[in-house]
Amino acid sequence: GQNIDQPTEMTATEGAIVQINCTYQTSGFNGLFWYQQHAGEAPTFLSYNVLDGLEEKGRFSSFLSRSKGYSYLLLKELQMKDSASYLCAAMDSNYQLIWGAGTKLIIKP
Amino acid sequence: GAVVSQHPSWVICKSGTSVKIECRSLDFQATTMFWYRQFPKQSLMLMATSNEGSKATYEQGVEKDKFLINHASLTLSTLTVTSAHPEDSSFYICSVQGDMNTEAFFGQGTRLTVV
Repeated sequence: GQNIDQPTEMTATEGAIVQINCTYQTSGFNGLFWYQQHAGEAPTFLSYNVLDGLEEKGRFSSFLSRSKGYSYLLLKELQMKDSASYLCAAMDSNYQLIWGAGTKLIIKP
Repeated sequence: GAVVSQHPSWVICKSGTSVKIECRSLDFQATTMFWYRQFPKQSLMLMATSNEGSKATYEQGVEKDKFLINHASLTLSTLTVTSAHPEDSSFYICSVQGDMNTEAFFGQGTRLTVV
């Protein structure tokens, strides 16, 4: 079956760095997406990886290892506004997104 | 990226009534739109894939007679929750995707509360 695993909740300190891991199992693979979702709002796109390696975009970076079925989202210089849920989603061979349950990130001053 | 407008943002209805949610792709012609449901602290669950000019494809366990989907044009898909019950209370979100392996763009979501 298809499955996405990511931690339920993480806590970090303002100004610090946090890494949110995601492992996936899908029927075929057409890329890995990370989205940010604030409570009561729709998800917003953060990153897309389809090749192995690290993609850096400002304070956010995303890494993919296809052979390991593994990705992580790295957030640097954490700000209070980064408190949100972070959703990992893998695209299968039918170009359908398979979603993880999300990781709730709590930022403390 | 594509701009997706979803309406209404929130709605409260009485049990047994029907509610229609609209999803518009404002700057992109979407032959396919996706409808998701999200319960508190849970993941997005795909309900159905809406296809312009043809019948929607429903995921297993989703009642097609209860959740009516109409995709009459390339810019509009509607989801009607018929005979709503309190257990249908949830956050409903639509999305469109550009090319096959590109990001999904989401509407603002609709918070449905059935009382």
